[in-house]
Amino acid sequence: AQKITQTQPGMFVQEKEAVTLDCTYDTSDQSYGLFWYKQPSSGEMIFLIYQGSYDEQNATEGRYSLNFQKARKSANLVISASQLGDSAMYFCAMRGGYNQGGKLIFGQGTELSVKP
Amino acid sequence: GAVVSQHPSWVICKSGTSVKIECRSLDFQATTMFWYRQFPKQSLMLMATSNEGSKATYEQGVEKDKFLINHASLTLSTLTVTSAHPEDSSFYICSATIAGGQSTDTQYFGPGTRLTVL
Repeated sequence: AQKITQTQPGMFVQEKEAVTLDCTYDTSDQSYGLFWYKQPSSGEMIFLIYQGSYDEQNATEGRYSLNFQKARKSANLVISASQLGDSAMYFCAMRGGYNQGGKLIFGQGTELSVKP
Repeated sequence: GAVVSQHPSWVICKSGTSVKIECRSLDFQATTMFWYRQFPKQSLMLMATSNEGSKATYEQGVEKDKFLINHASLTLSTLTVTSAHPEDSSFYICSATIAGGQSTDTQYFGPGTRLTVL
């Protein structure tokens, strides 16, 4: 069975500093995808970054980067130069291969608070 | 691009009534749409997978007769909560993929619908 684990219910970071949000996963699939989404208080889910299981380089999107360590089954999100607008819930998710029907499995989420 | 809308954004209804929520992909065709439910301070729980022109696939524990899903076109899926009760009050959110079945396909989410059943 596939599983995503986020062990940090809440995190605080000072504005302009970097922060790492942890995510570990478990799957028997060889081909899978890992995603990070941001959910502000408005409720919308905003796609941040994607990492494929066969991608050799860590994904980066602006201030977001994904620290992908396949052997350790971890996919941590790094946010550089935190901004007040980064305060939100962050969810790590995994999508399996074709036989999984494209379903996403989400972690429990981490609530990030950026302090001025 | 890849914009998904939901309507209504919030709804309040009396116990026993039915509520329909629409999910539309505005600038792409979505062969597959997903419906999630989220309680406060919790993660998203997948309710069902909706494929255009076929019956939805429900997750274990989700009552298919209570949560009716119709994916009538490549841009529209609807979720109807039948005979709603207060315990059905939740945040319902849909998502859509541009191409189905590959690990690289990103799910784009709608803004969600907050349902309150009195």
